[in-house]
Amino acid sequence: GENVEQHPSTLSVQEGDSAVIKCTYSDSASNYFPWYKQELGKGPQLIIDIRSNVGEKKDQRIAVTLNKTAKHFSLHITETQPEDSAVYFCAASWGGSQGNLIFGKGTKLSVKP
Amino acid sequence: DVKVTQSSRYLVKRTGEKVFLECVQDMDHENMFWYRQDPGLGLRLIYFSYDVKMKEKGDIPEGYSVSREKKERFSLILESASTNQTSMYLCASSFVFPFEAGSSYEQYFGPGTRLTVT
Repeated sequence: GENVEQHPSTLSVQEGDSAVIKCTYSDSASNYFPWYKQELGKGPQLIIDIRSNVGEKKDQRIAVTLNKTAKHFSLHITETQPEDSAVYFCAASWGGSQGNLIFGKGTKLSVKP
Repeated sequence: DVKVTQSSRYLVKRTGEKVFLECVQDMDHENMFWYRQDPGLGLRLIYFSYDVKMKEKGDIPEGYSVSREKKERFSLILESASTNQTSMYLCASSFVFPFEAGSSYEQYFGPGTRLTVT
């Protein structure tokens, strides 16, 4: 079955710096890669996703890149702000009607003002 | 806005008790999921359901069962709670779309129930 590895487990940056979180997946059939953000006391929320037919996707200060050959994808946050502090999860799915996701173990991002 | 609600934010139960965790979604989603979240282990799928009365085991179903009698409600049952089931439990729901239609497969999560078994 699919396995998703996520690094680093914790990341601390200064406000205004960039943050990068990396994930690798094992199943070459996976074709959908979302990123979720979990703020303290809340459930995870989708922030961006990418399909396997796209190499990069950007939404304001966040972007995701995908390298299908190497089976890894990354989340990039530019100009970080204190409100970006949260736990971020990557996930992978092979599609199908249920859309089951396999999640990475999470990265706790701390943005210091 | 999609809303997924869970019956309790915090729950304390004793070893051996039968525990019910309830989840309700208001967007007519076909799929519903129960996850367990533990530090350093991420989100692990316990059970999911893609239709009323249908259920499928996830990665860690042992010690749990589920019930889906109505489309909007998905219940997680701990038949005999044990201390190693102390955890954060998250419910989620999503639509069913053909992948070719370009759906995001977004899962909408509830706020979680922190269960402590003593």
